[in-house]
Amino acid sequence: GENVEQHPSTLSVQEGDSAVIKCTYSDSASNYFPWYKQELGKRPQLIIDIRSNVGEKKDQRIAVTLNKTAKHFSLHITETQPEDSAVYFCAAHNAGNMLTFGGGTRLMVKP
Amino acid sequence: SAVISQKPSRDICQRGTSLTIQCQVDSQVTMMFWYRQQPGQSLTLIATANQGSEATYESGFVIDKFPISRPNLTFSTLTVSNMSPEDSSIYLCSVVIFGGTEPDTQYFGPGTRLTVL
Repeated sequence: GENVEQHPSTLSVQEGDSAVIKCTYSDSASNYFPWYKQELGKRPQLIIDIRSNVGEKKDQRIAVTLNKTAKHFSLHITETQPEDSAVYFCAAHNAGNMLTFGGGTRLMVKP
Repeated sequence: SAVISQKPSRDICQRGTSLTIQCQVDSQVTMMFWYRQQPGQSLTLIATANQGSEATYESGFVIDKFPISRPNLTFSTLTVSNMSPEDSSIYLCSVVIFGGTEPDTQYFGPGTRLTVL
């Protein structure tokens, strides 16, 4: 089955700096890669996703890139703010609309 | 998107007992899933809840321990049976609204925080 690795597990940045989280996947048939943000005590919320027919997608301060050949995708957050502090999960889509999640990255943005 | 609710939001249970968690969606959805999130960990898929038939369980999860029902397109239940402290976790349902040949977004319910003493 699919295996998703996520790095780093924790990331601390100064407010205003950029943050990058990287994920690799194993199943070359995976074709959809969402990113979720989970604040403490809350449900995971979709923040951005990318499908395998594009290499990059941007939404304001967040962007995601996908390299199908290397089977990795990354989340980029620019101009980080304290409210970006949360746990971020990447995921890869398998058959049957099932997702395999990475281990998560705890992002801390220091004011 | 869809409005997803879960009941209860949290519970503290004694070992050996069972708890049934409900997931209600405000619109018909094609797919419903149940996940477990242990403290400080990622999300692990327990099973796909199939309408009108037995759920499809992932490796490591069995129907006797986690019976699931899905009587219609807006409602599902997950029972955690014969609980032990190792079952202490957050249990989340998620839904896919449209489904089909292209992958569709999964939306998550608020979760049920279970503590087993």
